[in-house]
Amino acid sequence: NAGVTQTPKFRVLKTGQSMTLLCAQDMNHEYMYWYRQDPGMGLRLIHYSVGEGTTAKGEVPDGYNVSRLKKQNFLLGLESAAPSQTSVYFCASSYFTGTSEQYFGPGTRLTVT
Amino acid sequence: GQQVMQIPQYQHVQEGEDFTTYCNSSTTLSNIQWYKQRPGGHPVFLIQLVKSGEVKKQKRLTFQFGEAKKNSSLHITATQTTDVGTYFCAALTGGGNKLTFGTGTQLKVEL
Repeated sequence: NAGVTQTPKFRVLKTGQSMTLLCAQDMNHEYMYWYRQDPGMGLRLIHYSVGEGTTAKGEVPDGYNVSRLKKQNFLLGLESAAPSQTSVYFCASSYFTGTSEQYFGPGTRLTVT
Repeated sequence: GQQVMQIPQYQHVQEGEDFTTYCNSSTTLSNIQWYKQRPGGHPVFLIQLVKSGEVKKQKRLTFQFGEAKKNSSLHITATQTTDVGTYFCAALTGGGNKLTFGTGTQLKVEL
């Protein structure tokens, strides 16, 4: 099992450009999450999904969109990147809700100039 | 929204010294999880505590959940260089669908 994979691993964008981050899991998990990690601020939830075809806003959803068309994939989109979106992005999945451990992907380091 | 405060933010210890990080909430928590993130890596689940006053051990790591379920601690006995990383607590929020993570404690271990 590959667990949770993320592509790309690194990306540099110019302000105003768009991109999509892909997360895939092969554990048949229902729940998937997108977090951003900034120095001194821990992990902040951007969006999450409780099952195929569902999405919900997290703590910091502005400027991001997500889609969960297939159970194993969770996409995070930036329509018009801003320097404030420079961060490390982690995808995670879990079998059940917050009572289950979350499995994290390796992360995507995004820089917006 | 619910906040989970974690202290200290940083801790430098000499190898062999003990280390403790604390997690506090103003509201009663239904559960608490602990994760470790090595430098340059991703968070990895360590343990979950659910019961009031619960204590769990993993080798040199001891995890406690407060009697009032508003605080938790992670204690490492006789730290080693392999313990280096950031330790996060996380608590269930949002009707049970998501976790709120603490800001983390970064541990550095010097020889």
